[in-house]
Amino acid sequence: ETGVTQSPTHLIKTRGQQVTLRCSSQSGHNTVSWYQQALGQGPQFIFQYYREEENGRGNFPPRFSGLQFPNYSSELNVNALELDDSALYLCASSLGPSSYNEQFFGPGTRLTVL
Amino acid sequence: DQQVKQNSPSLSVQEGRISILNCDYTNSMFDYFLWYKKYPAEGPTFLISISSIKDKNEDGRFTVFLNKSAKHLSLHIVPSQPGDSAVYFCAASPNTGNQFYFGTGTSLTVIP
Repeated sequence: ETGVTQSPTHLIKTRGQQVTLRCSSQSGHNTVSWYQQALGQGPQFIFQYYREEENGRGNFPPRFSGLQFPNYSSELNVNALELDDSALYLCASSLGPSSYNEQFFGPGTRLTVL
Repeated sequence: DQQVKQNSPSLSVQEGRISILNCDYTNSMFDYFLWYKKYPAEGPTFLISISSIKDKNEDGRFTVFLNKSAKHLSLHIVPSQPGDSAVYFCAASPNTGNQFYFGTGTSLTVIP
């Protein structure tokens, strides 16, 4: 059974650019949640996708958007990058959208915005 | 506004002794709490959870205590082992919704 994978591992972008991060969920999982972890902080919930629909969103602007595909893999897109977007981006997959379903995290994508 | 707080950024404990990690929260709507462990270059992994209907949950060497009136939870690791050295995050979820709120983490070092 393959765990949650994320690509790329590291990424460097400049202000104003756009970025796409990818997440492959664990086999059998239909829910993906995305988190932003800034340096010295805990993960912050960006949004959740369940069966290809957004199913809850944290306090992030619309330039953070996502997709979930029929195979339940997911993308996080960030437009008009700002310096403060520099962070570790984590995705987590689960069997369902409820908080009671254990979330399995990927290793993250480290984004640096210059 | 940080709704889940871990006020100790780091903790060092001798191998074999007890490690106690603390977490405070402000939102009375939180009813489900978890602890995650994170090693460098890896994602957080689930450790133990507790529902607000309980005040204690044990799993092997790990015990989580919940004090709802004080809005405080703690994780006890007994006995501590060097492999427990990691960053520990507490997280909480409200009874409405699917969002978790994480603390800032406590870095535990278990000294052999």
